[in-house]
Amino acid sequence: GQQVMQIPQYQHVQEGEDFTTYCNSSTTLSNIQWYKQRPGGHPVFLIQLVKSGEVKKQKRLTFQFGEAKKNSSLHITATQTTDVGTYFCAGRRGSGGSNYKLTFGKGTLLTVNP
Amino acid sequence: KAGVTQTPRYLIKTRGQQVTLSCSPISGHRSVSWYQQTPGQGLQFLFEYFSETQRNKGNFPGRFSGRQFSNSRSEMNVSTLELGDSALYLCASSSDSRSGNEQFFGPGTRLTVL
Repeated sequence: GQQVMQIPQYQHVQEGEDFTTYCNSSTTLSNIQWYKQRPGGHPVFLIQLVKSGEVKKQKRLTFQFGEAKKNSSLHITATQTTDVGTYFCAGRRGSGGSNYKLTFGKGTLLTVNP
Repeated sequence: KAGVTQTPRYLIKTRGQQVTLSCSPISGHRSVSWYQQTPGQGLQFLFEYFSETQRNKGNFPGRFSGRQFSNSRSEMNVSTLELGDSALYLCASSSDSRSGNEQFFGPGTRLTVL
């Protein structure tokens, strides 16, 4: 079945440093979504990427979708303590039947030292 | 709009018992997905319901079942509970997951099996 691998599992940074988490799928994806889960909270949608090579920015966050639509990354510039949480990617295969389900990576837990 | 609500928020059961969890999606959303979240396995997809029909199913044993009502509210049931079923159970609603729409997660039900 489809697998979505996410690395690293944990990342600890000093406030102001950059952070990147990577997501790789065993199959080509139709789209990929990113979610953030604060400690004790629930996942909250950040963004969806659909097109090959797509790059989207949200303030200090930059999201990329690979040319082959099998990998993605989230980069945070100059981390702040408010960035603490677990970042999940979730990939979805093409149309038809069971391919609709979202497969989540195991997430990257980001901690920020002030 | 009110967000996704889940009841109960916390539950303690013993091995062998059964449990029913409830999820009320955002008004107008017809797709409800259920996930099991554990520290070791991350977010694992259980099943998805759309317009009262199960549209997708994850790789969980038959002890895990669900249903959706005509008002889109959904329930999941776990029978013959095992210690390993202790987890945070999250439901997420979307207007239609086939369109790749974002999922809105509820706060979750934390199940502890003793």
